[in-house]
Parts: sequence; C-alpha cells; structure tokens
Amino acid sequence: DGGITQSPKYLFRKEGQNVTLSCEQNLNHDAMYWYRQDPGQGLRLIYYSQIVNDFQKGDIAEGYSVSREKKESFPLTVTSAQKNPTAFYLCASNRDSNSPLHFGNGTRLTVT
Amino acid sequence: AQKVTQAQTEISVVEKEDVTLDCVYETRDTTYYLFWYKQPPSGELVFLIRRNSFDEQNEISGRYSWNFQKSTSSFNFTITASQVVDSAVYFCALSEWGTGGFKTIFGAGTRLFVKA
Repeated sequence: DGGITQSPKYLFRKEGQNVTLSCEQNLNHDAMYWYRQDPGQGLRLIYYSQIVNDFQKGDIAEGYSVSREKKESFPLTVTSAQKNPTAFYLCASNRDSNSPLHFGNGTRLTVT
Repeated sequence: AQKVTQAQTEISVVEKEDVTLDCVYETRDTTYYLFWYKQPPSGELVFLIRRNSFDEQNEISGRYSWNFQKSTSSFNFTITASQVVDSAVYFCALSEWGTGGFKTIFGAGTRLFVKA
C-alpha cells in the first residue's frame, strides 16, 4: 500500500545537537510538506517542496533545513539554532494543489 | 496574519447532540481550496472534505455536513447526532498560492469531547 513513512516515531536528543527526521513517500506525489504541531497551536508549516530540487520556507523555517534530492524523500534537519525544538513533527504530501494532504504518523522529538 | 481561525478551542457535548465547528479564513486569492481534517487520539490526520473557492454548494456525508459561505469567509462543519468516536481534534485548512506553489495553512484546531 502507498503511504508516507516517518522515522523514527520517537527521537531524543541533547541540546546543541542537530537531528534529521526522515520522510519517505511512495505515492508518486510531487509536493511534500513539513509541519510542526504544538499543543493549542495547530499545525504550522516549516518548509514545503513542489518539485525535486526546489523548496520554499514556510511560516516557521528558522532553525530548520531541508533537502529534496529525490521525489520520494524530504528529510528535515532540526539544527541547534532552533530555540524550542521539542514538538511533534508531521510530514505530508499531495498530488497537486487541490488534492488533500496525506500525512505520515509523525515523529515526536524531545530535546533536553 | 492569521489565515485560518478556529475560535473554539474546545467543545464538550453529550452523545447524540449536534455540534458545529466554526472556521473563518482570510485570503486575497480568488482561487483557493478549503479542507477539514480529523486528528483522533492516535495522532494521524484524516482527510474529511475539500472545497474549492468556486463551489459554494453545501455538502452532506452521513452525519457530517459542511456550510461554505464566501460572503462571510466561513467554512463551518456540523456533526449531527454526535458519537463518542467523534472525539478528536478537528482542523480547518486553507490552500492558497505561495512562493513556489500552493501551500496549506491550518487553523489551531478545535478539540471535541463527546461524552457518553
């Protein structure tokens, strides 16, 4: 079955370390997205990519970086510059602009 | 600027009551898309409905119905005869043109508690 795989489900890191969250999709979707979810704030867009080798900053891109070298993959790096990295991170994709988003199961990152 | 506003943070109802979740959006585009998603306690987001800006026809799907009104920039969601399984966080979302393509912005969500 097609879908989006995020790994790992839980991730723990020490403050000051960079960490990369994996997102892989086999839906043949062109567009991929990263969202961050904090309690009471809904989902906030970090980065999005409409096509391979191109990506755009979302509303809260500071302290994050991404790459889109392959259509199937859109990894997110949480850098040490991100002041409050502990959150639930969701990766999503869609076929085109009027299509609903397909979400992965998320990665819960805890930085201490 | 807040693009999607869900003013109700939490709603609590008793089973079989009807409940309406409000969503107000803001956009300058003439072409845009509106969505509702459900996030049950397990965490995964489930797509419920999509509407484009040119289609104001209301829709009913079983116990769910949606009221889209461009004049008030609202896209409200009603659950009729609520059930305990409807307990979840519901998100309204707006997809509009951003740099490099369409991007989807979510509201803060409304947490619905349905008590037996």
